[in-house]
Amino acid sequence: NAGVMQNPRHLVRRRGQEARLRCSPMKGHSHVYWYRQLPEEGLKFMVYLQKENIIDESGMPKERFSAEFPKEGPSILRIQQVVRGDSAAYFCASSPPTGKYEQYFGPGTRLTVT
Amino acid sequence: AQKVTQAQTEISVVEKEDVTLDCVYETRDTTYYLFWYKQPPSGELVFLIRRNSFDEQNEISGRYSWNFQKSTSSFNFTITASQVVDSAVYFCALSEETSGSRLTFGEGTQLTVNP
Repeated sequence: NAGVMQNPRHLVRRRGQEARLRCSPMKGHSHVYWYRQLPEEGLKFMVYLQKENIIDESGMPKERFSAEFPKEGPSILRIQQVVRGDSAAYFCASSPPTGKYEQYFGPGTRLTVT
Repeated sequence: AQKVTQAQTEISVVEKEDVTLDCVYETRDTTYYLFWYKQPPSGELVFLIRRNSFDEQNEISGRYSWNFQKSTSSFNFTITASQVVDSAVYFCALSEETSGSRLTFGEGTQLTVNP
């Protein structure tokens, strides 16, 4: 059973470009979470999604950030017009329908904005 | 509001020493879950343990043990006979039932085990 997959593992973008981070949950998992880890800091919750629904986006910055989890395909975290402060590791986690407190993390995507 | 505090930013020990990582949490919920994760230098997050608020039994897994005390809102993690491979950042996290399932992480403790 493959774990949570994230790609790309490393992403470099220039200021003003768009960044798209992908997360494929574990098989059978229908809940996806995104967290951000800024340099030298802990992880901060961003958004919680189920298929085709955003359940909790209380941690998402108000502008430039969006997330989706379509019926088919991976969850996508999109950052428009990236700035240097967006440089961080972005982690995705997934959980099964009946075990939302069991979150399994992917390896993360390290975004560098130059 | 939920909060997790890991007061120890960095700990350095010599191999074979025992080390305890502290975690103090704040929550108004009666139902909540506590977690420990390990983040080795490679960067991934490794799940170590989950406990719910109704289960105060301490747990031991090999060289790892956890001491959950609701009276002091603490969930401390002890590594016995530490090894160099234990060097990592360790995060304590909390999830409240009323806040959905999002995790609130502490700031992490960087553990360095020297040979």
